[in-house]
Amino acid sequence: DGGITQSPKYLFRKEGQNVTLSCEQNLNHDAMYWYRQDPGQGLRLIYYSQIVNDFQKGDIAEGYSVSREKKESFPLTVTSAQKNPTAFYLCASSRIVGRFGETQYFGPGTRLLVL
Amino acid sequence: DAKTTQPNSMESNEEEPVHLPCNHSTISGTDYIHWYRQLPSQGPEYVIHGLTSNVNNRMASLAIAEDRKSSTLILHRATLRDAAVYYCILRDGSGGGADGLTFGKGTHLIIQP
Repeated sequence: DGGITQSPKYLFRKEGQNVTLSCEQNLNHDAMYWYRQDPGQGLRLIYYSQIVNDFQKGDIAEGYSVSREKKESFPLTVTSAQKNPTAFYLCASSRIVGRFGETQYFGPGTRLLVL
Repeated sequence: DAKTTQPNSMESNEEEPVHLPCNHSTISGTDYIHWYRQLPSQGPEYVIHGLTSNVNNRMASLAIAEDRKSSTLILHRATLRDAAVYYCILRDGSGGGADGLTFGKGTHLIIQP
């Protein structure tokens, strides 16, 4: 089955530690995205990538980093500079279809908690 | 992306139709109206989208006002599995590319058995 996988489902971070969240898709989509969701809120865009080896900052990129070395993979690193990392992190992918608003497909999410 | 306004929550009974409203008075001519929903502790899932004409798919129907300043997502026969947060999102279809979705707080739909 085609889809998006995220791992781990739960992740615990100690103070001052960097952690990396995995996102893999086998939908052959060009674009991939990372969102953050805080309790009771909508999703906010952290980073997105339209093509391999290229990515752009979203609305809340500070304290996060990404890489896009392969089309199917878009890992997110939460660095120690992110002072409030506890949140639900969602990865998504989509085709780039030019004139039409593309549909995004989301993974199941990773819940990050700070110890 | 232009702004949308949705009620914070709505309640309906199982097996009855549900009409979820969305206002988007500043919509531009190239904005598509997208609906996503998010079940508890899951990622959002696409429901439906449209530009000007009403749209139907296996999940729902989308009714778009003639002036496009509002739209309504219609679940024809709600089940308990439809309990979720529903997001109405405008996407500019003119520029192409991919720059992420802008989510508001959405409407929390509660289904009573």
